[in-house]
This record gives sequence, structure tokens and C-alpha cells, in this order.
Amino acid sequence: EDKVVQSPLSLVVHEGDTVTLNCSYEVTNFRSLLWYKQEKKAPTFLFMLTSSGIEKKSGRLSSILDKKELFSILNITATQTGDSAVYLCASQGAQKLVFGQGTRLTINP
Amino acid sequence: GAVVSQHPSRVICKSGTSVKIECRSLDFQATTMFWYRQFPKQSLMLMATSNEGSKATYEQGVEKDKFLINHASLTLSTLTVTSAHPEDSSFYICSFLTRGHAGYEQYFGPGTRLTVT
Repeated sequence: EDKVVQSPLSLVVHEGDTVTLNCSYEVTNFRSLLWYKQEKKAPTFLFMLTSSGIEKKSGRLSSILDKKELFSILNITATQTGDSAVYLCASQGAQKLVFGQGTRLTINP
Repeated sequence: GAVVSQHPSRVICKSGTSVKIECRSLDFQATTMFWYRQFPKQSLMLMATSNEGSKATYEQGVEKDKFLINHASLTLSTLTVTSAHPEDSSFYICSFLTRGHAGYEQYFGPGTRLTVT
């Protein structure tokens, strides 16, 4: 059965800290690994990763995929209170996405 | 980025009634779309996958006769919750899958919060 596991489930840090969120996956016919940020409503797309070892970067956020170890991380540097959200990773196999349970990140001022 | 709309954004209905949620892609066409359900403090749970013009594929545990999905066109899909019960109260989110220049891309609607009293 396809499975995506995120850790930690919850993380509380101070503004300015750097955080690393983890995502491991087991998916048949893997195509890509996606990261989303969910605040109060529907998720917003952050990154899609398809190749191992190639870092994708957007401002203070970056992510990388390891297809050998079936693992991805999302890094956020110099965190701000606006980064507080649930971060979801999802693995795409064929035409279906399997989501992890999410990491609830809280940034305290 | 691509835009997906959902209507209504919030609905309250009485137990036993049916509710239709509409999902539209506004600036792209997509052959595949997904319906998700999300309970408070939980992750998204895939309910069904549908391709335009064919029947939806439902995930295990999701009753197809209760959650009717009609993928009418490349830009429109509807989810009808029939004979709603309080336990159907949830946040329902649609999503379209389309092929972008970097590969498949998925775009979510803003969600519909259903409350069944």
C-alpha cells in the first residue's frame, strides 16, 4: 500500500530559527514528490521534485529529494511568524497523490 | 498560477438533504481531477479520482452512491453529498491535475466547508 510519512508531526521554534521537515515515501510507479503549505484553507503548492539530488529553492524555502532512500526534506531558513502552517508532502504515483499527515509548524516571535 | 474555483465556500444543511459542490478550473483544462476530504487537524484524504467523461474511481471506504461525482467537462466537476449526515461534516477540496512545462502540476480549489446539522 502506498504510504507517505512525515516527521515531526509538530514543531515549535522561535522566529529566525532554521527548520527541517522530513518526508519519507513508498509509492508504486513514483513520479514526483510535492510539498504544500496549508494555512486556514486549501493547500498552496510549494515544490515539485522529480530528480534526486537537485535542490529546488524559493526564497527562504528549499527542498531536495533522495530517490534512493525514498526521502525528501523541506528547509526553511530565518523563519518568520508567517511561516506558521501545516506543511504537507505528497508523493505522486501514476495519477494519484498520496499525502502525508503533515507537520504543524509554529513560529513564535 | 492556475486558478480553481469551488462553490459554495461554506454550506450548512439539514440531515437527510443533498448538497452539491461545484469545482471549476478557470484558466486551464484538465483530464484528471481529485476530490479530497479533510477533517479538523488531519491531513487530506483522497475520496475519488475522476477522468473527464468516465466514471470516478473511489477510494476504499468511500461510498460511491453517497458521494456522487460528475466530471462533466475538462473544466468542471461536481461532488454531490446525498442524504447528508452530521458525520459528513468536513472540509471538501477539489483539485485538477494538468500537465505543465515541468511535468504534472496539481491545483487545488479553495475548499468547501460542509456542516450538517
